[in-house]
Amino acid sequence: EADIYQTPRYLVIGTGKKITLECSQTMGHDKMYWYQQDPGMELHLIHYSYGVNSTEKGDLSSESTVSRIRTEHFPLTLESARPSHTSQYLCASSPPGRADTQYFGPGTRLTVL
Amino acid sequence: DAKTTQPPSMDCAEGRAANLPCNHSTISGNEYVYWYRQIHSQGPQYIIHGLKNNETNEMASLIITEDRKSSTLILPHATLRDTAVYYCIVRVGTTGTASKLTFGTGTRLQVTL
Repeated sequence: EADIYQTPRYLVIGTGKKITLECSQTMGHDKMYWYQQDPGMELHLIHYSYGVNSTEKGDLSSESTVSRIRTEHFPLTLESARPSHTSQYLCASSPPGRADTQYFGPGTRLTVL
Repeated sequence: DAKTTQPPSMDCAEGRAANLPCNHSTISGNEYVYWYRQIHSQGPQYIIHGLKNNETNEMASLIITEDRKSSTLILPHATLRDTAVYYCIVRVGTTGTASKLTFGTGTRLQVTL
């Protein structure tokens, strides 16, 4: 069982608010990822990290930002939420040497009104 | 990455073995077969992966044909909680770099009483 956590699980917020989605893992994994997924649709990689102080943008352009100050923590921030940001955000991590074996958190379902 | 083909849906009675097939006829020698599943409204879950030998873990067994052109994921005693979309992915094993997962349409497994 993977130990990767996301909070909050559900968030409903008004346009223009700043939000931070939390993701943490206790497995000591070096690589972490943020995906965005709409219901019934494919996963889109929006950010990833090779390790502390390393962050990269994924394939899908996103107005969010991430940071990786500690190995176990990979928060995602939206400075000014808009209705187009409504989606499910999934955090994942993978152990050293096994980038294709990714363990996912439960997700945060974000609704921006 | 090699293309995979899976049936769109399958049914299985609870307690029975669920055998989910995947065709990957263009697989190359250094590509692994990975299986993930996604239960409705949850993040994807890693199940198992293999290169050419059959693999078994606490969740499932993976049977890969000798020519590696197809594989079968076996859930030995399916339960209602195994109802999910199952994805077969063929990837060159990535080690040091971060890796974006791309799922196809998968097989929707419905476990019934």
